[in-house]
Amino acid sequence: TQLLEQSPQFLSIQEGENLTVYCNSSSVFSSLQWYRQEPGEGPVLLVTVVTGGEVKKLKRLTFQFGDARKDSSLHITAAQPGDTGLYLCAGANNQGGKLIFGQGTELSVKP
Amino acid sequence: KAGVTQTPRYLIKTRGQQVTLSCSPISGHRSVSWYQQTPGQGLQFLFEYFSETQRNKGNFPGRFSGRQFSNSRSEMNVSTLELGDSALYLCASSTLDSNNGYTFGSGTRLTVV
Repeated sequence: TQLLEQSPQFLSIQEGENLTVYCNSSSVFSSLQWYRQEPGEGPVLLVTVVTGGEVKKLKRLTFQFGDARKDSSLHITAAQPGDTGLYLCAGANNQGGKLIFGQGTELSVKP
Repeated sequence: KAGVTQTPRYLIKTRGQQVTLSCSPISGHRSVSWYQQTPGQGLQFLFEYFSETQRNKGNFPGRFSGRQFSNSRSEMNVSTLELGDSALYLCASSTLDSNNGYTFGSGTRLTVV
């Protein structure tokens, strides 16, 4: 059974601080996808990383895929209250539309 | 373009009843996946349909079933509802390549009493 361990589960920080969320597995994935979910809504895709060692930047968010395609990280620089939400990593393995999700990181950024 | 539409948004059912949830994918997306989200288990894969065929199925009992129509719209059905089926049910659509990511609907909040 493929699993994705996501940490930390909860994170409460002040505006302007930096943070990193980690997503680890013993399995290889064809891609690692990061989503953000707000209460009462579905997850929204932030980025997909496909190549081992790949780094993608989305404004203040930096996503990295591990060389072995088993792990990924999300780094937020100078967090803002608008970054508050549930961040989810998900692994795809070309098995007909199935994503394996991590447990999520509940981020709270206080002004 | 229109996003993924799920109906209804909220549903309250009694134990033992059955329920049908609907999902309309983004136009042109032929893959539709279903997930169950609960506080304890997170997001868990139910099944995925592509061109009216179930391609993959998660580890849920046979009470959970689904289908896809020729216009790519999908329905999922849960029979003999249990209290533990209370959850947010999410539908996601994508193109053929799952590595492109998925677009999720807002979900159906099912409460079983």
